[in-house]
Amino acid sequence: AQSVTQPDIHITVSEGASLELRCNYSYGATPYLFWYVQSPGQGLQLLLKYFSGDTLVQGIKGFEAEFKRSQSSFNLRKPSVHWSDAAEYFCAVGPAFSGGYNKLIFGAGTRLAVHP
Amino acid sequence: DGGITQSPKYLFRKEGQNVTLSCEQNLNHDAMYWYRQDPGQGLRLIYYSQIVNDFQKGDIAEGYSVSREKKESFPLTVTSAQKNPTAFYLCASSMDRGYEQYFGPGTRLTVT
Repeated sequence: AQSVTQPDIHITVSEGASLELRCNYSYGATPYLFWYVQSPGQGLQLLLKYFSGDTLVQGIKGFEAEFKRSQSSFNLRKPSVHWSDAAEYFCAVGPAFSGGYNKLIFGAGTRLAVHP
Repeated sequence: DGGITQSPKYLFRKEGQNVTLSCEQNLNHDAMYWYRQDPGQGLRLIYYSQIVNDFQKGDIAEGYSVSREKKESFPLTVTSAQKNPTAFYLCASSMDRGYEQYFGPGTRLTVT
């Protein structure tokens, strides 16, 4: 079955420290992979996506992610965290076939807190 | 500017009443989606639609209904049959199947 696992429910880092959020997936072929960010009470914003090609992808707000096929992972990284990065982060994989339709499967999310 | 709008941002209803949440997009996307989000949980898919006049149940469709009469619009009705309707509802759209989804700002529904 297709699935996405974000092993860390909460992560706390100090401002200026580096960040890595983990994402593991289960998928039968090479998936499309996405990272989204959600501030409290807001919708989700796309940070970056991987479809094919270079396995290191750059996104907005200084984020990057690396696709590792051998580890079925797509971890999100940022070299220096800012207080404004405090939010919830969702990893997603697709397309997932269900009843003849394609959809994305989302992980449960990782909540990031940033200490000053 | 292109985007997705959801209205209203906050909605309050009495138990037993149906309520309709609005979702409009001007991105010319074919596919649209409704998700429910509860505190501490991820996104759960309620309904999705790939084209006009066609939609498919997601993982938690019971107590909800949708329509897709126009490409731009995908309203969600929360019926009185939904046992726990209080939640944050997110609408999304995508260009095509499986591609990245773009989200609206959400509607927080409170039923008392």
